[in-house]
Amino acid sequence: QQQVKQSPQSLIVQKGGISIINCAYENTAFDYFPWYQQFPGKGPALLIAIRPDVSEKKEGRFTISFNKSAKQFSLHIMDSQPGDSATYFCAANTGGTSYGKLTFGQGTILTVHP
Amino acid sequence: NAGVTQTPKFQVLKTGQSMTLQCAQDMNHNSMYWYRQDPGMGLRLIYYSASEGTTDKGEVPNGYNVSRLNKREFSLRLESAAPSQTSVYFCASSRVGEGSNQPQHFGDGTRLSIL
Repeated sequence: QQQVKQSPQSLIVQKGGISIINCAYENTAFDYFPWYQQFPGKGPALLIAIRPDVSEKKEGRFTISFNKSAKQFSLHIMDSQPGDSATYFCAANTGGTSYGKLTFGQGTILTVHP
Repeated sequence: NAGVTQTPKFQVLKTGQSMTLQCAQDMNHNSMYWYRQDPGMGLRLIYYSASEGTTDKGEVPNGYNVSRLNKREFSLRLESAAPSQTSVYFCASSRVGEGSNQPQHFGDGTRLSIL
């Protein structure tokens, strides 16, 4: 059972454009929502993360928007660059004794054309 | 600082063969994890070890066994490989953070093909 659904599967954006990737979750016990970035041949690396007590978190060109009532969160990449071309995964986790057991979305392959 | 090191990077097996995937981290992390990555399915947790001496099943544990050899090393064993286990396997580690989530640091993966 996929508890975190991610869309789109692939995304093509022109340099300078905005990339938007969406995720929806079912488990209301989730309280930690990280995004990971993966380049070909490499392992995923943490990009940015948010907790549900805030609606938005920004780090440079990357912003997470969080809608607790809709059980949705999204990643916005402003001024997208060819170097941002990678696969992006959203994930979610509960706290307590389950922390560390991340549930990942299916992934989005982002291509930024120069 | 190497981070998380996985060996081998590539492996081809025949159905029924066994093998062990090795993982070591040098960040003094308490928790370690094994994931498999398949197209269109994201990463799925196979097993994890919250601390040295403990292991627990994740989402897809069938056909796998693990050993937390010490704080640094966490191995994944396929006893009788099946074509359905063809995948990219990632090991990760994280620092236990007193009930709060800590970033997981991933290795670069082992690409395993089973014929």
